[in-house]
This record gives sequence, C-alpha cells and structure tokens, in this order.
Amino acid sequence: QKEVEQNSGPLSVPEGAIASLNCTYSDRGSQSFFWYRQYSGKSPELIMSIYSNGDKEDGRFTAQLNKASQYVSLLIRDSQPSDSATYLCAASLTGGFKTIFGAGTRLFVKA
Amino acid sequence: EAGVAQSPRYKIIEKRQSVAFWCNPISGHATLYWYQQILGQGPKLLIQFQNNGVVDDSQLPKDRFSAERLKGVDSTLKIQPAKLEDSAVYLCASSVPGADTQYFGPGTRLTVL
Repeated sequence: QKEVEQNSGPLSVPEGAIASLNCTYSDRGSQSFFWYRQYSGKSPELIMSIYSNGDKEDGRFTAQLNKASQYVSLLIRDSQPSDSATYLCAASLTGGFKTIFGAGTRLFVKA
Repeated sequence: EAGVAQSPRYKIIEKRQSVAFWCNPISGHATLYWYQQILGQGPKLLIQFQNNGVVDDSQLPKDRFSAERLKGVDSTLKIQPAKLEDSAVYLCASSVPGADTQYFGPGTRLTVL
C-alpha cells in the first residue's frame, strides 16, 4: 500500500516565526510532489510543487525534496495568522497519475 | 477563467439510498479526478479520467460506486446503495493532460444517516 505520511499536529507557531512541515512517502517511483493548503470547510489549493532534489522557493514558502530519504518538507517564513490551515502533502507518478495525499498537518499561527 | 464546478454542495440521504454528484471541469482540462475526503483525512483518489477514458479506478469501490464522463467534459459520480461510511466530502479536480497541477472544485458534502 503506497502511503504519504504526515504528522497530524497541531503545529502551533507564533506570528512571524518559521513553520516547518514534514512528509515522507513510500513509493520510490513518485516523481512529483505537492503541498496543498486547505482551510476548514474549503477545498485544497496548491501552494507549491517540486520535482527535483533540493530547495524551491516561492515568496514566503520553501519546499525541500530529498528523494534518497523519501522526504519532502515545507517551510513557511514570517508565518501569519492567515496561514492557519491544514497542509496536505501529495505525491504522484509522472503527469498526476496515482496521486496520493497525506492526512495533513494542522498549523496554527498565534497572533 | 471559471473554476471547477460541482453540485450539489450538500446532500443528506438515508443509508441504502442512491445519490449522484456532478462535476464540470475547467474548460480545456482533459483530465478529471474524483476524490473522497473523510473528516480528518486527506483526499483519496477514487477515479481518474483522461477525456472520457478511465486512467485509474483502482480505489473505486465498484460494487457501489460508479462514475462516467460522457463526451470528455462533465462527469457524474454515483453511489448505490449508500452506506454510513460513505459520509464524506467528494471533491472533483481537473488538470491539463500531462500536467501535475490539479484544480479542485468546492466539493459536495454527503451525510448518510
């Protein structure tokens, strides 16, 4: 059974701090990795995708991928209360095939 | 650009009844996905279409769930008969073929009593 594992949290950080979210995956054939944000009662929205080892930065967000360790992470710098949500990690084979989501990590950013 | 549309937004049924959900993907998106998200869990892929062909339905409980995508645009997901454990949000997503970014609709929240 292919899996994506995340710590369910909640992860609580003060406003302005760095939030670090982690994820591991079991399928070594996975080629594409994603972080989605899901507010309560809403549908997931993509915030980052990463395909190769290393770091990828987009604004306050940095995704990190280590395929040897089967590990993906998301750093949120200067966390804001509006970042409070559940963050879903997902992995797929090429082209969005066989997408598997983790259960998500709940993040609370305290003002 | 209009997003993924789903209806109904909410549905309450009794167990053993049937229910159907509708999805209209973003224009030009040939790949369509149906997910089931149970409270506290991540979305679980039920079925993936490319145009009107099924790419993956390995996690679709075929004894009670069915899905179709006629003409490669709109799609319907049906549950017949429903069980209590089918209570969940059913999410539809679409993407451009070969692209990884999936765009999700607002979902249909199903409650089975």
